[in-house]
Amino acid sequence: GDSVTQMEGPVTLSEEAFLTINCTYTATGYPSLFWYVQYPGEGLQLLLKATKADDKGSNKGFEATYRKETTSFHLEKGSVQVSDSAVYFCALTRFNAGGTSYGKLTFGQGTILTVHP
Amino acid sequence: ETGVTQSPTHLIKTRGQQVTLRCSSQSGHNTVSWYQQALGQGPQFIFQYYREEENGRGNFPPRFSGLQFPNYSSELNVNALELDDSALYLCASSLGGRGQETQYFGPGTRLLVL
Repeated sequence: GDSVTQMEGPVTLSEEAFLTINCTYTATGYPSLFWYVQYPGEGLQLLLKATKADDKGSNKGFEATYRKETTSFHLEKGSVQVSDSAVYFCALTRFNAGGTSYGKLTFGQGTILTVHP
Repeated sequence: ETGVTQSPTHLIKTRGQQVTLRCSSQSGHNTVSWYQQALGQGPQFIFQYYREEENGRGNFPPRFSGLQFPNYSSELNVNALELDDSALYLCASSLGGRGQETQYFGPGTRLLVL
């Protein structure tokens, strides 16, 4: 079945450091890939997405590129801020050849990011 | 545009009881998905409703059931609660059918089973 694997956390960085959170996936068909962020005590917010190979999703300084050859979708940000402290989830949803979604999002286990001033 | 809302925000139940959680989808969305997020883990897909019909189900027992109403709001019902049902329950809405489906999440209902 489908699966998403994220790098082990937690990740602790100083403000303005470079961030990478690794994400790899296993899926048949044509998955779309997502990064969601969860701030303490809140639900999930969509951060960015990519729907086909070589697409780059970007938002709020975060970027991730859909790499089909390495089945990866690593999240990067050039300069993190204290306000980026949260839990980050990589996820996929799979579509069949006709473009119909199978409905569910499959999530990784999440990576806790803490940014210190 | 109104986002996804869920009620209640918190709930405490005892083992064996039944619970109903509610979700109002984002304006214009006709699909609702439910997820269970245990502490420290990623969300797990429970089921999805598209135009009032179940459109996929995850690996959850039948005591987890749902409904979608004509206005596309939804309920999640859990019977015979077990301690392991303690979790954050997330609802997500999307515009279903063919094509890309980005799911937008509500704030969740935190359920504690004692």
